[in-house]
Amino acid sequence: DAGVIQSPRHEVTEMGQEVTLRCKPISGHNSLFWYRQTMMRGLELLIYFNNNVPIDDSGMPEDRFSAKMPNASFSTLKIQPSEPRDSAVYFCASSLGGRLYGYTFGSGTRLTVV
Amino acid sequence: GENVEQHPSTLSVQEGDSAVIKCTYSDSASNYFPWYKQELGKRPQLIIDIRSNVGEKKDQRIAVTLNKTAKHFSLHITETQPEDSAVYFCAASMGGSNYKLTFGKGTLLTVNP
Repeated sequence: DAGVIQSPRHEVTEMGQEVTLRCKPISGHNSLFWYRQTMMRGLELLIYFNNNVPIDDSGMPEDRFSAKMPNASFSTLKIQPSEPRDSAVYFCASSLGGRLYGYTFGSGTRLTVV
Repeated sequence: GENVEQHPSTLSVQEGDSAVIKCTYSDSASNYFPWYKQELGKRPQLIIDIRSNVGEKKDQRIAVTLNKTAKHFSLHITETQPEDSAVYFCAASMGGSNYKLTFGKGTLLTVNP
């Protein structure tokens, strides 16, 4: 298995532009998580899906952020419009879905908004 | 919701010494406690985990202990090596049907040769 696949690895964009991050979870994993990592705030959970359904989006910073999971093998996190304070590493992770299983993280997308 | 506190934030040891990282959690219903290692510029990777029906688990040079009464758990690394240098995160899962993990802020471990 190739693990959790994220794209792009790096993204540099101008303030106000739309950014779309993509994730392919491990086949057979039922839960998918989007995290944001910064030095100041550590690992923050933005949203997670179970069986393609959003379960908890309380971590999404504001309406500029949206996430979708149209099928079991693909998810997107969109920021529109982007702001410099959105600069961070965004990780996608997947798991088997029970509360006794750890996550497998993707390699992350380093987003820089200038 | 769950709150996980992790200490220390930085830890420097000499090669061959032991390192201990401690975490406390707030939700008594939490029942799964994984530890992740993140090397510079890389993804967090699961290195060991423990479930609430077990008090201690060991895997070669790393071990994790859990005290449910006190709501704390610890990571122990023995005979540290330079390649152990990384940021280590503890996490706790909430009880019930909530699958999400709450992470500590991380500990930067530096092993000096």
